[in-house]
Amino acid sequence: GDSVTQMEGPVTLSEEAFLTINCTYTATGYPSLFWYVQYPGEGLQLLLKATKADDKGSNKGFEATYRKETTSFHLEKGSVQVSDSAVYFCALSDPGNQFYFGTGTSLTVIP
Amino acid sequence: NAGVTQTPKFQVLKTGQSMTLQCAQDMNHEYMSWYRQDPGMGLRLIHYSVGAGITDQGEVPNGYNVSRSTTEDFPLRLLSAAPSQTSVYFCASTRGGRTEAFFGQGTRLTVV
Repeated sequence: GDSVTQMEGPVTLSEEAFLTINCTYTATGYPSLFWYVQYPGEGLQLLLKATKADDKGSNKGFEATYRKETTSFHLEKGSVQVSDSAVYFCALSDPGNQFYFGTGTSLTVIP
Repeated sequence: NAGVTQTPKFQVLKTGQSMTLQCAQDMNHEYMSWYRQDPGMGLRLIHYSVGAGITDQGEVPNGYNVSRSTTEDFPLRLLSAAPSQTSVYFCASTRGGRTEAFFGQGTRLTVV
């Protein structure tokens, strides 16, 4: 079945460091791919998305490219801020509208 | 826009009690789902619905019931609460077509 595997955390970075969170997926059809962010005590919020191969999603300085050949959707940001501290989830939506989530990666950015 | 609204935000139950977690969305989405979030396990699907009157089981349905009498509402019922159901519960909705899901703020449930 479909699944998402993402980099285990927790990740701790200094402010202005480069961030990469790896995400790979397994899917039988042509899924849409998403990154969600969860701040403490809150629900998941959509960070960015991509609906087809080679699409690049971007938002708030974060980027991820839908790579069909490597079945990956890695999240990157060039310079993280303390306010980026949160848990990040990679997810896919299959043609049947079922969502599959990774286990989440906790990011802490220290000043 | 209210989006997806869940109530209550926090709840403490005694083992064996029953309760209903409420979820409502105002986006006219056909698809609604309930997830539970536990440390190190991501989100696991409990039940989902593809439209009013249609529900189905997800990955971890035991101990939970759902119904979908209207497009807007999708309540989750715990029939006889157990400590293993201590978790954070999220309701989500999507209009389908592989578009994004919108999440409520969550209900933190503790069963003692």
